[in-house]
Amino acid sequence: QQQVKQSPQSLIVQKGGISIINCAYENTAFDYFPWYQQFPGKGPALLIAIRPDVSEKKEGRFTISFNKSAKQFSLHIMDSQPGDSATYFCAASLSGGYNKLIFGAGTRLAVHP
Amino acid sequence: KAGVTQTPRYLIKTRGQQVTLSCSPISGHRSVSWYQQTPGQGLQFLFEYFSETQRNKGNFPGRFSGRQFSNSRSEMNVSTLELGDSALYLCASTRGLADEQYFGPGTRLTVT
Repeated sequence: QQQVKQSPQSLIVQKGGISIINCAYENTAFDYFPWYQQFPGKGPALLIAIRPDVSEKKEGRFTISFNKSAKQFSLHIMDSQPGDSATYFCAASLSGGYNKLIFGAGTRLAVHP
Repeated sequence: KAGVTQTPRYLIKTRGQQVTLSCSPISGHRSVSWYQQTPGQGLQFLFEYFSETQRNKGNFPGRFSGRQFSNSRSEMNVSTLELGDSALYLCASTRGLADEQYFGPGTRLTVT
């Protein structure tokens, strides 16, 4: 019940294309869903986050879509660029003021020029 | 504003030894969380400290411990190191409760 399942494991996209990464969860007590981007040798960097009271959030080329009934959320990267090549992690945390993040396994994205 | 800093960045230790890692959060942030990242297990939560108190703990053995000081800086300690403790240890700071977490660059620990 504490798991967050992320897919695909790896993704290859052409420059200018749309990258889509999906995550699913079981625990309905989760109420905060961030996405992180990690480059080799670096710590994860917060990209965008959403709470269950909205179905979509957009920041620049990055959009989170959230489906509460299906317990799924996804990250869309529009106009993907080679500089977006990194590992992306979805995560979730419980309501009640806890800062414990449960992470998905990660998706390695490669954007080819 | 300076980000989360972690020291040292790299460490090599021998099995059976102990190690202490340090984390300085973003100025004004009061919560510090620690995570272990390995290729096999991914990112796993170790523990969280807020106002010098441990608020939350992950499923790790008692060899893993931590503390937080009055200036919000935090340390984690691993005693009796095992080969499986080789990992990237990440610290994340948060302004308060249930806020955005910002990660440091991590400490790469290698146990031989």
